[in-house]
Amino acid sequence: AAGVIQSPRHLIKEKRETATLKCYPIPRHDTVYWYQQGPGQDPQFLISFYEKMQSDKGSIPDRFSAQQFSDYHSELNMSSLELGDSALYFCASSFDRGSGANVLTFGAGSRLTVL
Amino acid sequence: RKEVEQDPGPFNVPEGATVAFNCTYSNSASQSFFWYRQDCRKEPKLLMSVYSSGNEDGRFTAQLNRASQYISLLIRDSKLSDSATYLCVVDDSWGKFQFGAGTQVVVTP
Repeated sequence: AAGVIQSPRHLIKEKRETATLKCYPIPRHDTVYWYQQGPGQDPQFLISFYEKMQSDKGSIPDRFSAQQFSDYHSELNMSSLELGDSALYFCASSFDRGSGANVLTFGAGSRLTVL
Repeated sequence: RKEVEQDPGPFNVPEGATVAFNCTYSNSASQSFFWYRQDCRKEPKLLMSVYSSGNEDGRFTAQLNRASQYISLLIRDSKLSDSATYLCVVDDSWGKFQFGAGTQVVVTP
């Protein structure tokens, strides 16, 4: 079965550079979530989209932005990168609440290292 | 205070033994509850969903206690491959998933 696809898997950037992460959710999943996970921490919710509209916002820095496109893929744009942005970034998608259980399925993650 | 709290780890478990740990949630309106397993540097993967009074899947049993607002996970006959961090995830009924900090389980030979 198709899973959540994230790219790139690994990314190395310098401070103050920009980075873009991409996420392709499971087909027909209507909600996409972005999470940031630092070493030894649980995933921290950044932002989510439902049917291409932002549905919720968590602890996403102002330097970050995200959007969901017409084909339902999502991109997380990070600017003015800081050392503290080094983390695993997970994208997850979930099923339509009206169609069944709302279960999160995660992508393999994008590991960002800021030098 | 986090909305979802988990037993601190690590739980060091001899191979073949049973281990159980809990997760408490603060939002009484929460409807769906999940246990995810996360291996180091990997994505969380769904282990079990817990919808009503609990469910069992092989060596894993999850229980839900709505009155006391907690769920539990029990692992019987622990295997070395069960070593991981177990994340409790709660759907707060508004479509927002709340995560616990995770419970680390280390199964030793």
